Amino acid sequence: AIQMTQSPSSLSASVGDRVTITCRASQGIRNDLGWYQQKPGKAPKLLISGASNLQDGVPSRFSGSGYGTDFTLTISSLQTEDFASYYCLQDNTYPWTFGQGTRVAIK
Amino acid sequence: EVQLVESGGGLQQPGGSLRLSCEGSGFTFSNYAMSWVRQAPGKGLEWVSHISGSGGIAFYADSVKGRFTVSRDNSKNTLQLQMTSLRPEDTAVYYCARYPGVKKGLGVWGRGTTVTVS
Repeated sequence: AIQMTQSPSSLSASVGDRVTITCRASQGIRNDLGWYQQKPGKAPKLLISGASNLQDGVPSRFSGSGYGTDFTLTISSLQTEDFASYYCLQDNTYPWTFGQGTRVAIK
Repeated sequence: EVQLVESGGGLQQPGGSLRLSCEGSGFTFSNYAMSWVRQAPGKGLEWVSHISGSGGIAFYADSVKGRFTVSRDNSKNTLQLQMTSLRPEDTAVYYCARYPGVKKGLGVWGRGTTVTVS
């Protein structure tokens, strides 16, 4: 199975900070990667698909990049509502695999 | 409104069985592949299974292969997950999610149903 190594596992940041989360695949997955946001007690929400395609209604401060094995989710200016957990998911090869998650907390 | 609603969770003893359901509404159910994703208490997300829109092709995580079976009834807009030989490590919230296709992601999720194996 393809391993998705996500880092960091957690971070503390302030409102207005630029935040970067990375996922590295153990083998090439083209751009078959999505980023998901999850708040406590809620279902995950798709933010970005195809590594860089922002979903309708998702604020433009979120962006994604990458191809092959290395991928990045960037929040350009962190807002209060962005404090949550974030996961990458590769849907290139079965079994699909999630990264371990990144918890973004308030500093 | 596009919606997915899971049901069937509950408490089961190790070795037992449960059948989860996911009902879709507000869209043409058969046009979409579907996935099951679970989350153990305090842990991250784990992809469990995936089935094509027709139901003819299915995939499983290694952790559930041979124990879980995914199926769908497009005439009733429902997705099922038959879980057998349950283990304590299967304890989780189980979500169903809709998959439009490659590079489109799991764009619609249900609220989840809780399975406890103890």
